[in-house]
Amino acid sequence: QVQLVESGGGVVQPGKSLRLSCAGSGFTFSSYVIHWVRQAPGKGLEWVTSIFYDGSDQDYADAVKGRFTVSRDNSGSTAYLQMDSLRHEDTAVYFCARLDSSGSDRFFQYWGQGTPVTVSS
Amino acid sequence: IQLTQSPSFLSASVGDRVTITCRASLGLSTYLAWYQQKPGKAPKLLIYGASSLLSGVPSRFSGSGSGTQFTLTISSLQPEDFAIYYCQQLNTDPPTFGQGTKVEIK
Repeated sequence: QVQLVESGGGVVQPGKSLRLSCAGSGFTFSSYVIHWVRQAPGKGLEWVTSIFYDGSDQDYADAVKGRFTVSRDNSGSTAYLQMDSLRHEDTAVYFCARLDSSGSDRFFQYWGQGTPVTVSS
Repeated sequence: IQLTQSPSFLSASVGDRVTITCRASLGLSTYLAWYQQKPGKAPKLLIYGASSLLSGVPSRFSGSGSGTQFTLTISSLQPEDFAIYYCQQLNTDPPTFGQGTKVEIK
């Protein structure tokens, strides 16, 4: 069965770095665009970044551009989110999700369970 | 593209018919999805392409709309449906979400 499992979250001081991982199983990882979505405590869903099948293209939300870097290792079926210069407002649960499609429709059918990141001094 | 859901909160009883609206700042054709999220869990896809029900999702859920106005309807609210619902546009990158609608028990 399709699974996405995030790891790497934790408590980190402002200005420090953290790297999240998203391990995929049960599908051909290299055939899917992977997205990261975050959810601050008590808030809604916020799209963060996406990475193309082969890693050749990425897109970032303005709030994280220049601080976060997304990458992937298709041989290891894992995507990564390198988060640098972390700020209090980056505190959230971070989810990875697989972009699926049916015809021309696109959607996030499979999500990881989320990994919490707390930025606090 | 900005998505605005209404209402942000609604209180309903088991068996009620519930409708949630999602309005887009630009036309989306039918590239809109609906998700359900329960506390401490990842979002769960319900509807894609504005009106296509994901296999395995109960038929009491339905979606409609195109362009800039969309609705999610729950025909007869069940206890397990009390959750937060989000719309998401996938017409234009980046894919953005509405602010959510919390459905609570009256």
